[in-house]
Amino acid sequence: NAGVTQTPKFQVLKTGQSMTLQCAQDMNHEYMSWYRQDPGMGLRLIHYSVGAGITDQGEVPNGYNVSRSTTEDFPLRLLSAAPSQTSVYFCASTKNGFNSPLHFGNGTRLTVT
Amino acid sequence: DAKTTQPPSMDCAEGRAANLPCNHSTISGNEYVYWYRQIHSQGPQYIIHGLKNNETNEMASLIITEDRKSSTLILPHATLRDTAVYYCIVRPMTTDSWGKLQFGAGTQVVVTP
Repeated sequence: NAGVTQTPKFQVLKTGQSMTLQCAQDMNHEYMSWYRQDPGMGLRLIHYSVGAGITDQGEVPNGYNVSRSTTEDFPLRLLSAAPSQTSVYFCASTKNGFNSPLHFGNGTRLTVT
Repeated sequence: DAKTTQPPSMDCAEGRAANLPCNHSTISGNEYVYWYRQIHSQGPQYIIHGLKNNETNEMASLIITEDRKSSTLILPHATLRDTAVYYCIVRPMTTDSWGKLQFGAGTQVVVTP
């Protein structure tokens, strides 16, 4: 039972480069979300999805795009990386939005130089 | 959203019970109490959650006061692998807030041999 799988674990980008952070879950969860974690800032919601074909913006969506073509996958795209996007990124999934816990992946540590 | 207050750190001897307090005095009726922990460089791990009744699972017990203004997470027999930062959060169960998690600073628990 893999749960939520994120790749890559580490990534270094130069300013202006683009990349996609991958997230896959095998629990048949409808709800998925992306967060960034910065020191002293807790987890901040970037984008989320309540099912295939449906996405919406969270608290800090600027500079990021998402799509949800399947229930299992929810990739996060950085369009033009900036040093301010240096962070640890977590993907999570949950069965539904009510009374069910979020299950997190182990994160992608991104450094933008 | 309700906020939580936790002690910054706590030591616990291996094999002993660890009792982690959390204050959430402004919690509202539709907010659950959730506990997560984060071991260095890993994703947050779900532990337990509850609304107003005490809860127990294979990892821990959750005791919520009758007025719901505070709770205690109990790790019955702490092991060295329980060393982590423990987060108490209140999570609103509304359609537009399911993904928003307010992680505070948490409690750094160190289990010693």
